[in-house]
Amino acid sequence: NAGVTQTPKFQVLKTGQSMTLQCAQDMNHNSMYWYRQDPGMGLRLIYYSASEGTTDKGEVPNGYNVSRLNKREFSLRLESAAPSQTSVYFCASILSLGQTNEKLFFGSGTQLSVL
Amino acid sequence: RKEVEQDPGPFNVPEGATVAFNCTYSNSASQSFFWYRQDCRKEPKLLMSVYSSGNEDGRFTAQLNRASQYISLLIRDSKLSDSATYLCVVNSGTGNQFYFGTGTSLTVIP
Repeated sequence: NAGVTQTPKFQVLKTGQSMTLQCAQDMNHNSMYWYRQDPGMGLRLIYYSASEGTTDKGEVPNGYNVSRLNKREFSLRLESAAPSQTSVYFCASILSLGQTNEKLFFGSGTQLSVL
Repeated sequence: RKEVEQDPGPFNVPEGATVAFNCTYSNSASQSFFWYRQDCRKEPKLLMSVYSSGNEDGRFTAQLNRASQYISLLIRDSKLSDSATYLCVVNSGTGNQFYFGTGTSLTVIP
């Protein structure tokens, strides 16, 4: 059981380049998230998808787009990377939103550097 | 005011010590509470959920005080392998709202 799988694990971009971070889960979860983690900031929500076919902005959506391709997959795209987007990105999933005590499961993260 | 606040530490304790972390949250309507553990450069992993009645898992005890809006984690008989960052996570129970503390760093010293 792979859980939540993220690719790539590491990426270096030049300012202005684009890329897509891939995320897939095999737990039949309905809801998926993209977070970024910066030193001293904790995890901050970029976008989430409550269910297949829906996406919503989180706390820090600027500069990002997402696609919920199907129930399993939720991708994060940087159209024109900026140095401020240097961070560690985590994908996460949960069975269903709004259920108490439902727990987040995380992918292993993508370390992104934008030069 | 941040939704969830934690003392970032670091906490440096000798093996065998007991250490406690606290976390406060601002939304009194919050429904679910968790402690996650995060090792350096790795993903957060669930350590334990926190229930109103308090719960224990081996050397780890979690408590929730709704009146004062704080959550605690107690680690007894600390092991070297307990060295990590501990994240307090709160879910308001509506929408997408998981809020993360910045984490408390623990180093257990031989």
